[in-house]
Amino acid sequence: RKEVEQDPGPFNVPEGATVAFNCTYSNSASQSFFWYRQDCRKEPKLLMSVYSSGNEDGRFTAQLNRASQYISLLIRDSKLSDSATYLCVVGGTSYGKLTFGQGTILTVHP
Amino acid sequence: GAVVSQHPSRVICKSGTSVKIECRSLDFQATTMFWYRQFPKKSLMLMATSNEGSKATYEQGVEKDKFLINHASLTLSTLTVTSAHPEDSSFYICSARDRDRELRAFFGQGTRLTVV
Repeated sequence: RKEVEQDPGPFNVPEGATVAFNCTYSNSASQSFFWYRQDCRKEPKLLMSVYSSGNEDGRFTAQLNRASQYISLLIRDSKLSDSATYLCVVGGTSYGKLTFGQGTILTVHP
Repeated sequence: GAVVSQHPSRVICKSGTSVKIECRSLDFQATTMFWYRQFPKKSLMLMATSNEGSKATYEQGVEKDKFLINHASLTLSTLTVTSAHPEDSSFYICSARDRDRELRAFFGQGTRLTVV
């Protein structure tokens, strides 16, 4: 089983749609969780951290379920500029390494 | 602006030569940096963890003599691809986690290496 698993997609949605990405992780001792966004041929950039209580940043909502070892990202009112690969990232303690999911490709079309 | 700077962004070299890639944390001290490799349409694969003042920790399957890592200061780690071959062509990215910013990982801009 992969340490961090995502549905690779691709997801093709129209502008204005709501889209949800899911991610599962295998290490129950994981302590930090993030969603990163990567544009083609660029480095990943942090989209948002994920907290146990769930958190929202504008059109983006992230949720964490530790019991099920499951993370989600919801994007509302999709924009063309949301087209990218979304990476689920899980980390251990302190300066521990981050483990990346394989990424989910999102394409938002007019 | 960038908090982790990676250089060069692109390099083309001949087979058999060595290439050095630098990764600098610009506004925080990074005792640990990470080096990743990414193939087209694939996710990032951790190659090694670079530890300031000590030996790097390599992931399984990564040749330490092939990919030399030096972390001589709290703001600089270097990755040297030795005796490069075409199969080493890839996108290499470094990152560092900042404990003052919720342990977020910041990434360098990446280096696209092409070995001809």
